[in-house]
Amino acid sequence: NAGVTQTPKFQVLKTGQSMTLQCAQDMNHEYMSWYRQDPGMGLRLIHYSVGAGITDQGEVPNGYNVSRSTTEDFPLRLLSAAPSQTSVYFCASRVTTGAYEQYFGPGTRLTVT
Amino acid sequence: EDQVTQSPEALRLQEGESSSLNCSYTVSGLRGLFWYRQDPGKGPEFLFTLYSAGEEKEKERLKATLTKKESFLHITAPKPEDSATYLCAVQASVTGNQFYFGTGTSLTVIP
Repeated sequence: NAGVTQTPKFQVLKTGQSMTLQCAQDMNHEYMSWYRQDPGMGLRLIHYSVGAGITDQGEVPNGYNVSRSTTEDFPLRLLSAAPSQTSVYFCASRVTTGAYEQYFGPGTRLTVT
Repeated sequence: EDQVTQSPEALRLQEGESSSLNCSYTVSGLRGLFWYRQDPGKGPEFLFTLYSAGEEKEKERLKATLTKKESFLHITAPKPEDSATYLCAVQASVTGNQFYFGTGTSLTVIP
């Protein structure tokens, strides 16, 4: 099992550019989520999905879009990047029902200039 | 509002010097409290889940405990390889699909 994988590992964007951060998991988890991690702020939930075709907003959804067409994949799209979106992004997955831990990917470090 | 506060922000210990990290939480019905370890440049790695007050979990030199308002991560006789940031997160019953994280405690163990 590869667990949760993310690509790319590093990315530099100019303001206004768009891009997609990829996330995949091979554990057949229904629940997948995206977080951003900023110094002094902790991990903050951007969007999450409880299954294919179902997505919902988290704490900080503005500027980000998601879709979930398969159980395995949960891409995060930045439509028009802004410097405030400079951060480290983590994807996670878990079993949907009950209180179960999330498994995190290795992260994508994004810099917007 | 669901909230998680961790203290201290940073902790330096001599190898073998035991201590505790604190995670205070306010949540509308606790479904689960989670501890993670995060090494620099990596994603959080799961350590423990606690479900109800009075529960304890152990793994090697780490022991997590839970009360109705806080959780402690006790580190006994730490080694340099225990150096990392330790994160606490809660899952609330009302907002069951959302998890709230603290800002973490950065632990450095000096040989």
